Amino acid sequence: GDSVTQMEGPVTLSEEAFLTINCTYTATGYPSLFWYVQYPGEGLQLLLKATKADDKGSNKGFEATYRKETTSFHLEKGSVQVSDSAVYFCALRKTSYDKVIFGPGTSLSVIP
Amino acid sequence: DVKVTQSSRYLVKRTGEKVFLECVQDMDHENMFWYRQDPGLGLRLIYFSYDVKMKEKGDIPEGYSVSREKKERFSLILESASTNQTSMYLCASSLQGFEKLFFGSGTQLSVL
Repeated sequence: GDSVTQMEGPVTLSEEAFLTINCTYTATGYPSLFWYVQYPGEGLQLLLKATKADDKGSNKGFEATYRKETTSFHLEKGSVQVSDSAVYFCALRKTSYDKVIFGPGTSLSVIP
Repeated sequence: DVKVTQSSRYLVKRTGEKVFLECVQDMDHENMFWYRQDPGLGLRLIYFSYDVKMKEKGDIPEGYSVSREKKERFSLILESASTNQTSMYLCASSLQGFEKLFFGSGTQLSVL
C-alpha cells in the first residue's frame, strides 16, 4: 500500500544552520505531497505542498521539491530559527477524496 | 482563520469508562476527521464524516464510535476505554474531502 517514510529524529540544530528533513514515498500514480508542521501544544498546520512532478512548494523560508524519479519530497531551510522547533510531518494524498497518509514525523529542536 | 476547538487539552480516565471527546469547527466545513497520534506512528485516521449523521471508518476504528448530529460538531466516543487507547487525539476539518486539513490542538487522553 501507499506509505511515507521520514528520517529518524530527533534532529537538533544550532540557530542559522541549514536544515534538511528527508521524506520518501511509495504510491502508485501521481500523488500530491505535503509538509505539515506541529508547533508545541498545537495541532498540525499545512506548511507547503506540491501537486505534480518538479513542483516546488515553499512557505516561511521552507522549500521542498517533488522528485518523481527518486520518489522524494525533502524539506529544506537555509537558516533555521529557534521558532522553527516543531514536529514536521511529510504526507501524501492521491486525490482530494483519498485519505491523507502521514509519515511518522520528525522532531526538530533549534538551540540558540 | 478556521478554528477547530477540542473541548479538553488533557483528560484522565479509568479503564472501562465511557469517554467523549468533543470537537467543534466554526467555518461551516462539510468534512470532519478524528486521528490519533502516537510517537513513531504518525497520525492514524479513526473515523471521518462527509456530512451530518454520516460517518466512514478510517484505518483504526476498532474500539471507537462517532457522532455527528450537527454540521459543526463531531464527537469521538470510546465505549469502554482501555489502556491501549492512551494517546493524543486530533480533530480536523476541511472544506473539500481531504484537501487542506485544519487541525485542533489535540486532547491528550490517559487511560489508567
